[in-house]
Amino acid sequence: EAAVTQSPRSKVAVTGGKVTLSCHQTNNHDYMYWYRQDTGHGLRLIHYSYVADSTEKGDIPDGYKASRPSQENFSLILELASLSQTAVYFCASRWDPNQAPLFGEGTRLSVL
Amino acid sequence: GQQVKQSSPSLTVQEGGISILNCDYENDMFDYFAWYKKYPDNSPTLLISVRSNVDKREDGRLTVFLNKSGKHFSLHITASQPEDTAVYLCAAGAGTGSKLSFGKGAKLTVSP
Repeated sequence: EAAVTQSPRSKVAVTGGKVTLSCHQTNNHDYMYWYRQDTGHGLRLIHYSYVADSTEKGDIPDGYKASRPSQENFSLILELASLSQTAVYFCASRWDPNQAPLFGEGTRLSVL
Repeated sequence: GQQVKQSSPSLTVQEGGISILNCDYENDMFDYFAWYKKYPDNSPTLLISVRSNVDKREDGRLTVFLNKSGKHFSLHITASQPEDTAVYLCAAGAGTGSKLSFGKGAKLTVSP
């Protein structure tokens, strides 16, 4: 069964610390996405990738880096976490642009 | 800026009525349009999607209307039920590069 797995499911980080959110898919999908969800903002695209070893900037990339070391794995990296990055983060994958993305369960990040 | 806009953040409909949710987009290159349903603390789930080569698509109680010249698409839910109460997110993307952007969401409340 197709699946997108995010880890951790929740995390508390300190301001200025480094945070890495991981996403793993077993669907053989080429396209992977990182979104953040905030009240009043819906889902906003941070970074995405359509092939291993390559990433693209989304609509709100500032303060975030992404890494796609393999087709299955896509990480979101906060080098210097800030209070404003407290949010729920969703990873998604899909096989091609004609297909709806499959979402992971989300990671709740709190930066204190 | 926001590539996909949902101007009405909330909507209340009587049970049995028609719910109409609207979405506007800016990018002429968008050729994939979708509506998602989302509950708090859950990941979005796809309801219905269309490509730009059709103006309308029906699936049970759901209908998507696409107006390409007006850069607008909408979701109509007939015979609305209390279990339809949720946040609805519209999404649009372009095949090339496969960037997929979401609106802020609209909360639909169906009252008995």
